[in-house]
Amino acid sequence: QVLLVESGRGVVQPGRSLRLSCAASGFPFSTYTMHWVRQAPGKGLEWVAVISYDGSNKHYADSLKGRFTISRDTSKNTLFLQMNNLRPDDTAVYYCAREEGGSLDYWGQGTLVTVSS
Amino acid sequence: AIRLTQSPPSFSSSIGDRVTITCRASQGISGFLAWYQQKPGKAPNLLIYAASTLQSGVPSRFSGSGSGTDYTLTITYLQSEDFATYYCQQSYSYPWTFGQGTKVEI
Repeated sequence: QVLLVESGRGVVQPGRSLRLSCAASGFPFSTYTMHWVRQAPGKGLEWVAVISYDGSNKHYADSLKGRFTISRDTSKNTLFLQMNNLRPDDTAVYYCAREEGGSLDYWGQGTLVTVSS
Repeated sequence: AIRLTQSPPSFSSSIGDRVTITCRASQGISGFLAWYQQKPGKAPNLLIYAASTLQSGVPSRFSGSGSGTDYTLTITYLQSEDFATYYCQQSYSYPWTFGQGTKVEI
C-alpha cells in the first residue's frame, strides 16, 4: 500500500535551518510529482512546494521568499524540504503528499516543526 | 495567486441533513478543483477531484459540481463521521492554493 512517512520534526530556534524527509513506499516514486503542505496550529492548509517526478521543475508558495528548497532522491524514494532562516510563523505540521491528476491523493501523517527561542 | 473563498466558514448541522459548501475562485479555474475532508489530528483525505469526480473509496453521498469560478461540495445525507473540516484546493496554476476551510459541526 502507499505509505508516506515524514521525519525531521523538532524544535528549532528562529534563524536556524531544518531539513524534513518523507520516505515513500508502495508505489513507483520516480513517476510521481510530490508536494509539501503545511498547517499552522489551529489554522487551515497552506500549500508549500512541488517537485516534478524527475526533479526538473519546482514551484514554491510566494510567502516563502526563497527560504525553502524542495528536492528528491529517487534512489532512496525520499522527498526533502530544506527550510532555512526559520521564523516563528513557520511553526506548523508539515505534510508530504503525492499528486495524482491535480489533486493530492495520499498524504503522510505529518511532522511538527516548532520554531521558538 | 488564485484566491479561494469558502462559505460558510462554519455551521451547525444534524445527522441526515443535506449540506452544501461553496468555493469561489478569484478567477476561472476550469474545473481544476479538489475537495478534502480533515478530522482533528489527522491528515486531509481526498474526496473529490476535477471538480466532480469521486475519489475511489469515498461514499457516494459526497458529490461535487461547478465550473468557472464557482464550485460546490454536497453531502446528501450527513452521517456522524462527516463532522469535520472541508477544504477546496485549486491546481489550475501555481502556486496551488487552498480555501480557508469550512467546519461542519453538530
